Amino acid sequence: DTAVSQTPKYLVTQMGNDKSIKCEQNLGHDTMYWYKQDSKKFLKIMFSYNNKELIINETVPNRFSPKSPDKAHLNLHINSLELGDSAVYFCASSLLELGQLPTFGSGTRLTVV
Amino acid sequence: AQSVTQPDIHITVSEGASLELRCNYSYGATPYLFWYVQSPGQGLQLLLKYFSGDTLVQGIKGFEAEFKRSQSSFNLRKPSVHWSDAAEYFCAVGYPGSGSARQLTFGSGTQLTVLP
Repeated sequence: DTAVSQTPKYLVTQMGNDKSIKCEQNLGHDTMYWYKQDSKKFLKIMFSYNNKELIINETVPNRFSPKSPDKAHLNLHINSLELGDSAVYFCASSLLELGQLPTFGSGTRLTVV
Repeated sequence: AQSVTQPDIHITVSEGASLELRCNYSYGATPYLFWYVQSPGQGLQLLLKYFSGDTLVQGIKGFEAEFKRSQSSFNLRKPSVHWSDAAEYFCAVGYPGSGSARQLTFGSGTQLTVLP
């Protein structure tokens, strides 16, 4: 199946831990994103990579570090997790061309306890 | 700053009834406008998009939306709702000035419940 797949789907962890969420796309896209959906359902872009280079970096704590080993992967590593990091994180990908919209993964629900 | 408002947090309709989900945006120029649907455990699926031209846009699954510049609105409609339409719906805005629709601002979503 052609898609954006992210793992794990659910992640429960304690405060202070370090965790990673992985994302892979097989759509041949050159741009990948991470979005955060907070408890009020607002989706906000966090990062965007084009051909492994960071092109969008919104105001995100530096505990969040995206890593793009190649065009098809964009992983999100989070250090020293805090309660406020609990959210659903969506990975997405697209072509970096006018009008090309992102295709979203199914989300990772992160719960920090 | 640009923003998107979906005034209705939760809407309940009976199967077969018509549906309208409201979306208002705040932006200095005409933005790109989108509706996405999120089913439980699923990613966001694009229903329809507006870039320019005809203000009435047809999407998938029988949905349509109308851009009204005077009201800064982009309401989503469906003449007859099916039980499978129960989901969360998100309106989103993109910025033509950025040269791409890739950076989207989303509304807070409207949860749709469909009664049998």
